Amino acid sequence: DAKTTQPPSMDCAEGRAANLPCNHSTISGNEYVYWYRQIHSQGPQYIIHGLKNNETNEMASLIITEDRKSSTLILPHATLRDTAVYYCIVRAGPGGSARQLTFGSGTQLTVLP
Amino acid sequence: GAVVSQHPSRVICKSGTSVKIECRSLDFQATTMFWYRQFPKKSLMLMATSNEGSKATYEQGVEKDKFLINHASLTLSTLTVTSAHPEDSSFYICSARGGGSMNTEAFFGQGTRLTVV
Repeated sequence: DAKTTQPPSMDCAEGRAANLPCNHSTISGNEYVYWYRQIHSQGPQYIIHGLKNNETNEMASLIITEDRKSSTLILPHATLRDTAVYYCIVRAGPGGSARQLTFGSGTQLTVLP
Repeated sequence: GAVVSQHPSRVICKSGTSVKIECRSLDFQATTMFWYRQFPKKSLMLMATSNEGSKATYEQGVEKDKFLINHASLTLSTLTVTSAHPEDSSFYICSARGGGSMNTEAFFGQGTRLTVV
């Protein structure tokens, strides 16, 4: 799986948008970008994934650059409960082989009141 | 999303004893389950991958005789830490993927905090 690079930490004011960047310059054509988050002492929670088009769901939006070498996860209105470690993972997408997720260091997002 | 239930959430055991952790997929059939461990302030590290009805595949450096994995049904996988030592104290997390329409993202259990004293 392609390696990803994320900033180790970020702060965001409550109610503002949180924009979490991820670089994945070695991503290959069949690899998707997945985002998970882990609140302290809990299991990771799936947020969103995408291949090349921007995606949006009830939790977040995912913006993938045209060259697919980087992406940004956007939490439109961050709340204190969004404080967590956010992991950007690149891997082969839905279907196909049942490959595991490889977690990097992630970004510790702290939402400030 | 789909629900994966992990039990117990927290366990304390004595050195030398064995501990079993259960991972259940509650509303889908998990053809593949993954077991991770996580040390404080570190990321998740994959320990092993198990497919229902077959032997688990362990990552390099993970002792298969110490960390016994059983995936006997499509909704249950267990991890048994045998002859536990204090250095086995960690946060253990399972995840599950289904087949068919559920073969998309992986869903994670709540994690089990193991403390060996």
